[in-house]
Amino acid sequence: DQQVKQNSPSLSVQEGRISILNCDYTNSMFDYFLWYKKYPAEGPTFLISISSIKDKNEDGRFTVFLNKSAKHLSLHIVPSQPGDSAVYFCAASSSWGKLQFGAGTQVVVTP
Amino acid sequence: DTAVSQTPKYLVTQMGNDKSIKCEQNLGHDTMYWYKQDSKKFLKIMFSYNNKELIINETVPNRFSPKSPDKAHLNLHINSLELGDSAVYFCASSRGRGETQYFGPGTRLLVL
Repeated sequence: DQQVKQNSPSLSVQEGRISILNCDYTNSMFDYFLWYKKYPAEGPTFLISISSIKDKNEDGRFTVFLNKSAKHLSLHIVPSQPGDSAVYFCAASSSWGKLQFGAGTQVVVTP
Repeated sequence: DTAVSQTPKYLVTQMGNDKSIKCEQNLGHDTMYWYKQDSKKFLKIMFSYNNKELIINETVPNRFSPKSPDKAHLNLHINSLELGDSAVYFCASSRGRGETQYFGPGTRLLVL
C-alpha cells in the first residue's frame, strides 16, 4: 500500500528553467515531509524538509510547498542546473520516524 | 570524514550463504535504520534502532537480524540467503526519532 506517490517517473527541463516535482500522500498522520536527491550508485542525499505546521520552506534554489488539505507537496528548483540531474524522492514520516518513500522522479536537465 | 558508512559496498554470494553488512555513523545520532531498495526502486524501511533498542521492525523474514553493539553501529546479518534478497541495502541515521535521516552509500547485494 503506497502511501506516498510520485506520479511522474521522469521530468526533462532546460537549464535555467524551473523544475517542479510533485508528490501526493494518503496518510493524514504524516507530519514531516522530506525531499532526497539520489545519484546512481550513491545513497539518497537530504535536500530539504517541511513540517506539517508550515506551508512553505525555502533553501537557496530549492523550495518545498505543502498543501495539507490536498495532501500534496511539491519541490521547486530554480534555476535548474546540470548537476541537478538525478532521481528525486519524496518521503513522509510520522513521529515514529518510519519514512515512507515515493517511487522517485528522474530529472534530466538539458543544456 | 564520511558521516554514514557501510561495508561492503558490493556483495556477491551464493544462495544459502550467511552474510553481514556493517554500518557506522559518526554524527553522534541516536537512531539508526536499515532500508531495502528493491528492483522496482522503492525504498522500504526494514528496521530501526534508537539507543541500541529496536523500535521499528517491519514485516521482514526472520532470516534478517539487525544488531546494534552501540549507538554508532547497526549491522545487518542475513541467514540462508535467497535470490529475492538481491537488492541495495541502505543504512541511515537521525538525531532522534522523526528527525531528518542521513543515508549511507548503500550495499549492493547479489545472490546467485
